[in-house]
Amino acid sequence: GDSVTQMEGPVTLSEEAFLTINCTYTATGYPSLFWYVQYPGEGLQLLLKATKADDKGSNKGFEATYRKETTSFHLEKGSVQVSDSAVYFCALTPNTGNQFYFGTGTSLTVIP
Amino acid sequence: DTAVSQTPKYLVTQMGNDKSIKCEQNLGHDTMYWYKQDSKKFLKIMFSYNNKELIINETVPNRFSPKSPDKAHLNLHINSLELGDSAVYFCASSQAGTGPYEQYFGPGTRLTVT
Repeated sequence: GDSVTQMEGPVTLSEEAFLTINCTYTATGYPSLFWYVQYPGEGLQLLLKATKADDKGSNKGFEATYRKETTSFHLEKGSVQVSDSAVYFCALTPNTGNQFYFGTGTSLTVIP
Repeated sequence: DTAVSQTPKYLVTQMGNDKSIKCEQNLGHDTMYWYKQDSKKFLKIMFSYNNKELIINETVPNRFSPKSPDKAHLNLHINSLELGDSAVYFCASSQAGTGPYEQYFGPGTRLTVT
């Protein structure tokens, strides 16, 4: 069945460091891919998405590219800030139906 | 304007009690969900309703019963609460049909069973 695997955390970085959070997926067909972010004490909110191969999603300095050949959707940011400290979830949905498959989440802490 | 709202935000109760969590969305979405997030942040789908009809019912104890009085509301009732039910419960909604459509999440309800 469809699934998402993302790197385990926690991840701790210094401010202005480069961030990569790995995400790979297993799916039949052509799913859409998402990154959600959960700030402390809040619900999940969409960070970015990509709906087809080679699409790049971007928002708030974060980017992820839909790579069909490697079944990956890695999240990157060139210079993290303390305010980026949160839990990040990779997710996919098949383009039929409304089922979402979430990864296990990666906790990021950015220290000044 | 809160898109997806949940009440209460915190719920502390004793084992064996029955409790409900309410969810409302004002986005005009047809599909609503309940998720359970454990202490390790793992997110598990519990139920999904499309226009008041149950479409996803994962392996969840019968003590959990969702109720959708209309497509803007999806409530979660839990009978005979157990210690293992302690978690954060999230409601979410999305458009229905051929997507992809993102899900919009509520702020969560932290349930603590003592």
